[in-house]
Amino acid sequence: GAVVSQHPSWVICKSGTSVKIECRSLDFQATTMFWYRQFPKQSLMLMATSNEGSKATYEQGVEKDKFLINHASLTLSTLTVTSAHPEDSSFYICSVATNEKLFFGSGTQLSVL
Amino acid sequence: GENVEQHPSTLSVQEGDSAVIKCTYSDSASNYFPWYKQELGKRPQLIIDIRSNVGEKKDQRIAVTLNKTAKHFSLHITETQPEDSAVYFCAASKSGYSTLTFGKGTMLLVSP
Repeated sequence: GAVVSQHPSWVICKSGTSVKIECRSLDFQATTMFWYRQFPKQSLMLMATSNEGSKATYEQGVEKDKFLINHASLTLSTLTVTSAHPEDSSFYICSVATNEKLFFGSGTQLSVL
Repeated sequence: GENVEQHPSTLSVQEGDSAVIKCTYSDSASNYFPWYKQELGKRPQLIIDIRSNVGEKKDQRIAVTLNKTAKHFSLHITETQPEDSAVYFCAASKSGYSTLTFGKGTMLLVSP
C-alpha cells in the first residue's frame, strides 16, 4: 500500500489563528489526494479532493475559503484551516489512492481554544 | 447520493468468539466495498475489500460477504483476539475510491 505522512499529528491553537496541515505521499506520485474530517466517535466525511496543479473540488457544505487546499506537487498537499474557531476542532485526515485502494495519513487532531 | 448504514454501533465479544458487522447501501450501482480498522487516535487501515463481481472474500481470520440483490455486505472476524478491538468502518463506492461513502462505524471490544 501507499505510505502517507501527515504533519502535525496534533495542534492546539487560539481562536482566530490559521493552521496548516501537510500531507505527503512518500512512495509514489499522487495527482489526487483527499481530505477527510472526523468528529469524535463519528465517521469519516470527505471534505475535498485535492488535485495537483489545479483547484480543489469541495464537497457540498464545505467552505472553500475557510479550508484552503494547495496541491503544488505530486507528493504534497496542504490543508489550511483559516481563522479557526472551536467548532473547527476535529480530526483531519488525508488520503491517497493507489491500485484503486485508499490509504490514509496518520491524521491531525486540531483543538481550537 | 449513496447512503451506507452500519450495524451494530458497538459490539462486545469474548476472546475466541466470532464477530459480525453488517452494512447496507442504497445505490445499486456501487461496486467497491472496503472495510477499514481504526484504532483510537490512529489512521484507518484497509483490512479487506470486495468488488461486486465477487460474493465472498477471505483473508485468514477475516472474511467479507456481499449480497448485491439485497444490497448488503458483512465483515466476519473469527477467533477474535484483544488486538482486534478497534472501530471498524465499511464503505461503498460506484466509481472507485474517490466516491467512497463510509458507514458510521462499529466499535468492537474483545475481552480476554
